Amino acid sequence: DVKVTQSSRYLVKRTGEKVFLECVQDMDHENMFWYRQDPGLGLRLIYFSYDVKMKEKGDIPEGYSVSREKKERFSLILESASTNQTSMYLCASSLAGGTNTGELFFGEGSRLTVL
Amino acid sequence: AQSVTQLGSHVSVSEGALVLLRCNYSSSVPPYLFWYVQYPNQGLQLLLKYTSAATLVKGINGFEAEFKKSETSFHLTKPSAHMSDAAEYFCAVSPRAQKLVFGQGTRLTINP
Repeated sequence: DVKVTQSSRYLVKRTGEKVFLECVQDMDHENMFWYRQDPGLGLRLIYFSYDVKMKEKGDIPEGYSVSREKKERFSLILESASTNQTSMYLCASSLAGGTNTGELFFGEGSRLTVL
Repeated sequence: AQSVTQLGSHVSVSEGALVLLRCNYSSSVPPYLFWYVQYPNQGLQLLLKYTSAATLVKGINGFEAEFKKSETSFHLTKPSAHMSDAAEYFCAVSPRAQKLVFGQGTRLTINP
């Protein structure tokens, strides 16, 4: 069974803390994505990566960074967490290449609360 | 630029009634189209997808959607709602396998 695993389902952090959200996929997908989801705003793309050590800014990259040292792992980093980063964070992956339709496979989500 | 509009942030139907969730898209190239479902405190799960084969697409849990190019629509339907269908539904467009663009979601409530 294919899987995208996010390391933490629920986190509570304090303002100013550094936060790491980890995502691992076992489908050998080239592409990986981080979204944030907020009520009424749908899913907004933070960062994505089409290959190891490669990253591209999405629509809302401010306040975030990412790391992709291995193909299966894509980490989202909040250097100094703020209360407006309280949200649900979703990791996803997809295939690359000619047969790719863009279909995303999602993890269960990480709900982050910043106090 | 590609975009997706889901008409109605909340839809409420009675158990056994028709479910209709509306999605309109804009795309500069022939798109791939998707519907995802999200149950509370879970990630998104693919319901169905259109990839330029048959315009009527059948998905899981009895849902289907019809691609209408002239109307730039991809509405999601189910003939008879079940209590377990209560969830949030997202329509998404992928212009030839580039990044998905999501609509803002429609929360479906089922009344007993």
